Amino acid sequence: AQRVTQPEKLLSVFKGAPVELKCNYSYSGSPELFWYVQYSRQRLQLLLRHISRESIKGFTADLNKGETSFHLKKPFAQEEDSAMYYCALSGNYGGATNKLIFGTGTLLAVQP
Amino acid sequence: GAVVSQHPSWVICKSGTSVKIECRSLDFQATTMFWYRQFPKQSLMLMATSNEGSKATYEQGVEKDKFLINHASLTLSTLTVTSAHPEDSSFYICSASRQAARPEQYFGPGTRLTVT
Repeated sequence: AQRVTQPEKLLSVFKGAPVELKCNYSYSGSPELFWYVQYSRQRLQLLLRHISRESIKGFTADLNKGETSFHLKKPFAQEEDSAMYYCALSGNYGGATNKLIFGTGTLLAVQP
Repeated sequence: GAVVSQHPSWVICKSGTSVKIECRSLDFQATTMFWYRQFPKQSLMLMATSNEGSKATYEQGVEKDKFLINHASLTLSTLTVTSAHPEDSSFYICSASRQAARPEQYFGPGTRLTVT
């Protein structure tokens, strides 16, 4: 079954510390993976997509097919990074394309 | 670009009444729109997928007669919660994708529904 797992509900770090938000997935085909972010009182917005191999706001994520992981990393956390982060998987399910399956989310709290 | 709006942002209704929520793509044509439900401190649960001019595809366990979805144009989809009950109280979020070949979804701000 298709599934996205984010094992940590809360990750608390100090400003300037490295951050790694974990995401593992289960999918039988070739997945497309995304990280979405939701800042306080704002809508969900796309942060990264694995096919772009880009760095946004200092965040990167590499798809590791062997470990079925797509962890989100940032070398030096900033207070403004505090938000809820969702890992999501896109694929073909039940005859429909491009549906997103979301993980349960990780709340990142960056302490001053 | 890729802005999605929802109206209303919040609504309170009495048990037994129906409520309609609108989702609009403001600056692009959406080939597909999605409706999600989010309970407090939980993730988004996909309710249904809709393509313009065709019937919505509902996820398992979602009552299609209770949650009516209409996708009349490439920029508008509506979700009607019929005969609402307190257990339908939730945060409803829509999203839209631009092209069938691109899976990125752009999210609306959500609608808080409270059924008394």
